[in-house]
Amino acid sequence: SSEVTQDTAVSVALGQTVRITCQGDSLRTYSASWYQQKPGQAPVLVIYVKNNRPSGIPDRFSGSSSGNTVSLTITGAQAEDEADYYCHSRDSSGNYWVFGGGTKLTVL
Amino acid sequence: QVQLQGSGPGLLKPSETLSLTCTVSGGSVSSGNYYWTWIRQPPGKGLEWIGYIYSSGSTNYNPSLKSRLTISVDMSKNQFSLKVTSVTAADTAVYYCARDGAFGPGAFEIWGQGTMVTVSS
Repeated sequence: SSEVTQDTAVSVALGQTVRITCQGDSLRTYSASWYQQKPGQAPVLVIYVKNNRPSGIPDRFSGSSSGNTVSLTITGAQAEDEADYYCHSRDSSGNYWVFGGGTKLTVL
Repeated sequence: QVQLQGSGPGLLKPSETLSLTCTVSGGSVSSGNYYWTWIRQPPGKGLEWIGYIYSSGSTNYNPSLKSRLTISVDMSKNQFSLKVTSVTAADTAVYYCARDGAFGPGAFEIWGQGTMVTVSS
């Protein structure tokens, strides 16, 4: 089992805003990164260290944190945003990395 | 532009040793402060961090796998490798190599394409 947990699935209407969350005690101390994975492809880093986007990631992706929860927000979701999203951070010891179980995003 | 290319046998029998290699192109495995990392994903399931080797040569392994793991670097070939001993069906997964460190630790900014490994008798 993962030390950071995510909702299994979330849906959003095209053009609307969606928030995907990740919870865990370690998130009170450590920042998180977010990855997007489409079927048959390797994951892609979309947010790192709270709210930084790598070059090439649209600015509709943003990150935030509060207490033991980190969030990935997509403002104005597009059809191409339909994918699995994984959060990633340290475990409670701070010594190892863990991934959340992933959230399947459906764009309606 | 750095790229990673994983390779290795796709089919193993239980109790055998899994050996995968990740070739780094467009950059050097020995330069910079990077964590050369392995991550896996069982079919239909989520991502699992396996471990890394840092540019200094130090390693860090997932405690649930540590007793069976070795991650090493071959600078002459510009590669890093993963060995997992005594595999079982639970080790069946897509294995990804990745680089961490360009944005600070904890952000895997470059990934290989993934290598499917099946463990079956």
